[in-house]
Amino acid sequence: QKEVEQNSGPLSVPEGAIASLNCTYSDRGSQSFFWYRQYSGKSPELIMFIYSNGDKEDGRFTAQLNKASQYVSLLIRDSQPSDSATYLCAVNLGTGNQFYFGTGTSLTVIP
Amino acid sequence: KAGVTQTPRYLIKTRGQQVTLSCSPISGHRSVSWYQQTPGQGLQFLFEYFSETQRNKGNFPGRFSGRQFSNSRSEMNVSTLELGDSALYLCASSHGTGDQPQHFGDGTRLSIL
Repeated sequence: QKEVEQNSGPLSVPEGAIASLNCTYSDRGSQSFFWYRQYSGKSPELIMFIYSNGDKEDGRFTAQLNKASQYVSLLIRDSQPSDSATYLCAVNLGTGNQFYFGTGTSLTVIP
Repeated sequence: KAGVTQTPRYLIKTRGQQVTLSCSPISGHRSVSWYQQTPGQGLQFLFEYFSETQRNKGNFPGRFSGRQFSNSRSEMNVSTLELGDSALYLCASSHGTGDQPQHFGDGTRLSIL
């Protein structure tokens, strides 16, 4: 069964802190991993994606992938109140293009 | 580059009616996926179309159907609407190769009275 699991939260961090969001997946065949941010009442928007083990940095965001342990994480440095949103993790097996989404982690950054 | 366009943005229907939602993907994207999102349920995958063929399908009843046209635009139809069909319906497009991200439209919010 292909599942993506996230801690639903809510996760609260003070402004300026590092927010750490985690995601585990069940299918070892998963090839591509994506993080989306969704503000209340809006559609998901892509933050970043990662394919290889290790870290990938984009501005204040860092995605970390560990295929052996089947987890992917997103770190948000210098968290801002505008980062308050639900963060969705998605994986793709690389064949057939079906994306599997977690239920999301709600993040609140406290000023 | 224009994003994914979904129409209409809002719909109000009554039980038993049917509805058709439209999605125009990003230019060059051949894959269109549809999702239903309700509070507490997350994104539920409906189906994916690629080059006018349904390539993947989620666990929804046959009342939910879709199609894709030669220009990659896609429509989703829901027949015999039920109260539980009230949701945000999201369309996402991608190149369809599995290694490229999906990009979402703003969604159609469907309310069933």
